[in-house]
Amino acid sequence: QSVLTQPPSVSAAPGQKVTISCSGSSSNIGNNYVSWYQQLPGTAPKLLIYENNKRPSGIPDRFSGSKSGTSATLGITGLQTGDEADYYCGTWDSSLSAGDVFGTGTKVTVL
Amino acid sequence: QLQLQESGPGLVKPSETLSLTCTVSGGSISSSSYYWGWIRQPPGKGLEWIGSIYYSGSTYYNPSLKSRVTISVDTSKNQFSLKLSSVTAADTAVYYCARQDSPSRFDPWGQGTLVTVSS
Repeated sequence: QSVLTQPPSVSAAPGQKVTISCSGSSSNIGNNYVSWYQQLPGTAPKLLIYENNKRPSGIPDRFSGSKSGTSATLGITGLQTGDEADYYCGTWDSSLSAGDVFGTGTKVTVL
Repeated sequence: QLQLQESGPGLVKPSETLSLTCTVSGGSISSSSYYWGWIRQPPGKGLEWIGSIYYSGSTYYNPSLKSRVTISVDTSKNQFSLKLSSVTAADTAVYYCARQDSPSRFDPWGQGTLVTVSS
């Protein structure tokens, strides 16, 4: 199982805000950058956030990332029906089992 | 823009070796700035990083899969490949390739290819 824990699901009405947490430890989130990915149904994941809070070109500023200690958070404001997707956090884990790791994933539902 | 495309058999028998290739277009795999990675996703489950390779051939693998994984690169064809040996049903998944800018930063991704392990 993943070393990064996310809530299985979050939901909100259109126009509202949701936040998704990603909980880890000092061997991963605590000492490494965090990325976030959006996976729309039936498609490949897409990079939303890198280096904790940076957005690639073309990603709207409705998406934001932050990190504090051993946890990271993805925020989505002005929720749209097109935001309904699975979201994953990712980081490097420098423990004995070193490597890239992903979170358990969170399903965002727009009510 | 940069595009990646996975290719290979969609059905592999148990105990055999899964082989996939990722073809990169719109850019050179020999760029010194990037690694190139493989990630998989079992049906209905989350993402699992398999391993990554630099154009020089330097690799690093997921420790849980390391004994069965080989990733190689062919710069002349602008491709990199994945081999996973001794497969079981647990290896059934959609396999993605992606460019890796830095640890945990994969962008862009290929569309993915479903590989089913079954006799």
